This record gives sequence, C-alpha cells and structure tokens, in this order.
Amino acid sequence: AQRVTQPEKLLSVFKGAPVELKCNYSYSGSPELFWYVQYSRQRLQLLLRHISRESIKGFTADLNKGETSFHLKKPFAQEEDSAMYYCALSGRKTDKLIFGTGTRLQVFP
Amino acid sequence: DTGVSQDPRHKITKRGQNVTFRCDPISEHNRLYWYRQTLGQGPEFLTYFQNEAQLEKSRLLSDRFSAERPKGSFSTLEIQRTEQGDSAMYLCASGGQDPHQPQHFGDGTRLSIL
Repeated sequence: AQRVTQPEKLLSVFKGAPVELKCNYSYSGSPELFWYVQYSRQRLQLLLRHISRESIKGFTADLNKGETSFHLKKPFAQEEDSAMYYCALSGRKTDKLIFGTGTRLQVFP
Repeated sequence: DTGVSQDPRHKITKRGQNVTFRCDPISEHNRLYWYRQTLGQGPEFLTYFQNEAQLEKSRLLSDRFSAERPKGSFSTLEIQRTEQGDSAMYLCASGGQDPHQPQHFGDGTRLSIL
C-alpha cells in the first residue's frame, strides 16, 4: 500500500533549537518525495523535493531508502518557520501526490 | 499570473443540494488535480486531468462527484445531493508539461454542509 506517515501532530521548539520533522513512507517502487508547507492563511506550497537535493530556508531532507524515511531537518529554528508541514510522495507512473497527515511546527521566541 | 485560482472560497449549503466549484490553473499548465482535505488530515487525491482528458479518478470520487475540464483550461467539480461527510476543503493544483515539475496549489474552496 502507498502510504506516508508523519508520527507527530505537533512539534514545539524554542527559537534556535534544532528541528527534525519525521516522515516515513511505504511504496513499491521508487517514489519521489516532497515536503510541502502551509503558513498561516497561505496556500500549500512546495518547500523541497528529494531529487533537487537543495536547502530551502535552511531546511534539508535526505531520502533514506533503507529506512524508507524522508525526515525534514533544520539546525536552528526561526519563529517564521512556524507552519504546517506535509510530507508527500508521488510515483513514477502517476504524479498524483499522497500526503501524510501533517505536523504542526511551533517555534517559540 | 496570480497562480491557481479557485472559486468560491467558501460555500455553505444544505444537505441534499448540488454544488459546483471552479478551478483556473496557471495558464500554461496542462495538468490539473483535485484533492480533498478534511480536518486533521493531509490532502487526498480525487482526480487528475491532462489537458481535457480525465486520466485518473480515486475511489473516493463516488458517483455523486463529477469533474470536467472541457477545453483543457479551467475545471469544475460538482457534487450532487451533498451529504454531511462532504464537508471539507477542496483543493485544486496544476502542473506544467513536465510531470516531474511540482504541483502548484490554489487556496481551496471550503464546503460546509448544514
């Protein structure tokens, strides 16, 4: 079955602390993995994707095929990082997105 | 280009009524998707168009749901005989020719069934 699991509904940290949002997936094949972010009162937008292997707003994510994970990390959280984060995958045959349930990140001053 | 546009932003209706939502994708995008998001969940795929062809439909899309994209530009999603369980945010996304390019989402239409 194709599934994305985000075990944490809420993650609260203080400004400057490291952040790791967990994402595990189940897919038979080689999926593409994404992180989408939704800031308050804004639309869902792409944060990063594994094939780009880039850092966006200080966030990185490494695809671990052995552990079927795609955790999102940032060494020093900022207050403006507070948002809802969704991990998602798409397959090679179809690029519909399968989303996890999301993790709300709260960064306190 | 203002991105993906959805109309209306909010729709409140009584159970049993029909509703129709509209999505205008980014102008040069030939791929168009509909998703549904309920409280506490991530978006769930409903259906996919490439140009005017509806190429995939989820099992979530019961026979009360129908989507069209008649000229390969805007799309409509109609729900007939609405039920309480249809209350959700309905999201539209579009993508360019390259299927590996990311999807761009609209603000969504929030449907509330009384």
